[in-house]
Amino acid sequence: QVQLVQSGAEVKKPGSSVRVSCKAYVDTFSTNAISWVRQAPGQGLEWMGGIHPAFATPTYAQNFKGRVTITTDESTSTAYMELSSLRSEDTAVYYCARERRTTGTTGAFHMWGPGTMVTVSS
Amino acid sequence: QSALTQPASVSGSPGQSITISCTGTASDIGSYDYVSWHQQHPGKAPKLLIYDVTNRPSGVSNRFSGSKSGITASLTISGLQPEDEADYYCASFTARATLVFGTGTQVTVL
Repeated sequence: QVQLVQSGAEVKKPGSSVRVSCKAYVDTFSTNAISWVRQAPGQGLEWMGGIHPAFATPTYAQNFKGRVTITTDESTSTAYMELSSLRSEDTAVYYCARERRTTGTTGAFHMWGPGTMVTVSS
Repeated sequence: QSALTQPASVSGSPGQSITISCTGTASDIGSYDYVSWHQQHPGKAPKLLIYDVTNRPSGVSNRFSGSKSGITASLTISGLQPEDEADYYCASFTARATLVFGTGTQVTVL
């Protein structure tokens, strides 16, 4: 079944890092860009960054530059998002989302992962 | 990059039409036709409703339609149904080659 499967919930201490994975069960992983979007409890959606597996050069939202790293592993059809220097405000559900077109990130996310809850607490 | 501006809430009775606005700037909505709309029910992942301002993915009801004028995009839901009660988010490509979401709109079916 065509879908995105994310890693499980995480509980982290302030100052630490978290890595969330997103495995794509699709015909061809490298053709479409993947983005990471987060949603704090009771809040809206926030785009963190995206990457096209074929080009492997990520683009990050200004709010996260220096703290987020997005990568892909074509051999396992998996995208990763690592967020460092965690603080309580990073407590959120983190989603991966795949573009329906092959040319880059435009927000046409026709596939969304189920989300991964990351809780930052001392 | 500031979030695109949406009304916090919109409501309507079953069968009515409602429109949700999404206001950006000349550096995002005003310059690109990469505006999308996403529906999110509580506790669920978002779902793509509209992409490239007006296009609907297969399987999305034709009761949902999108448009754009200047720096404002709009989503219209016609023939409002109880299952349309959800949160709705717009998103736009930006001049920095990034993406920005709207603040979100809660739709209530009276």
